[in-house]
Amino acid sequence: KAGVTQTPRYLIKTRGQQVTLSCSPISGHRSVSWYQQTPGQGLQFLFEYFSETQRNKGNFPGRFSGRQFSNSRSEMNVSTLELGDSALYLCASSLEVARNTEAFFGQGTRLTVV
Amino acid sequence: AQTVTQSQPEMSVQEAETVTLSCTYDTSESDYYLFWYKQPPSRQMILVIRQEAYKQQNATENRFSVNFQKAAKSFSLKISDSQLGDAAMYFCAYRTYRAGSYQLTFGKGTKLSVIP
Repeated sequence: KAGVTQTPRYLIKTRGQQVTLSCSPISGHRSVSWYQQTPGQGLQFLFEYFSETQRNKGNFPGRFSGRQFSNSRSEMNVSTLELGDSALYLCASSLEVARNTEAFFGQGTRLTVV
Repeated sequence: AQTVTQSQPEMSVQEAETVTLSCTYDTSESDYYLFWYKQPPSRQMILVIRQEAYKQQNATENRFSVNFQKAAKSFSLKISDSQLGDAAMYFCAYRTYRAGSYQLTFGKGTKLSVIP
């Protein structure tokens, strides 16, 4: 079956702009999590959605937001982009039936802010 | 807050040899899961192995095995018979249920190089 699909793969934006990233989870997965990966901070949890509801959010400013649709596809939005937002954004989906349930990751979106 | 520490930013291993990647974590919880993920240059995170905290037995997946020391909060990954395809970033991760959802906390990663 198809894996987690993230679009676009690469993105270049200018400071002050906003950006929307998309994530299509594996069919049947209702949980979608987002992570920011940078060389300095590593992988940091952004937020998690389950059945269209945000269940948890990491320590990021309000410029970072997201949503999940009824088909479990998720989008994250970053407004008023800053240079420090340049990162690889990873999306993960899972069935969320148990704590050891595997999270499947997409290939990420590489965002560069200039 | 839970933290995960990988003290080896980079490691190298000769092809066919064995290498061990270290990971320690800090938590006050008793029920959690630990994972090792591999991130090759393609950037896609791939699950290598998982360990349940309440299980004493160390997990094994083919050439990959862990040494889980719960009291010491240590979770190291051993790769036997290293192959060129094992070259990647390896991340140790801790997963628990918090604020109504499951959340992964990652270490900073170890870059593994495999020398032919």
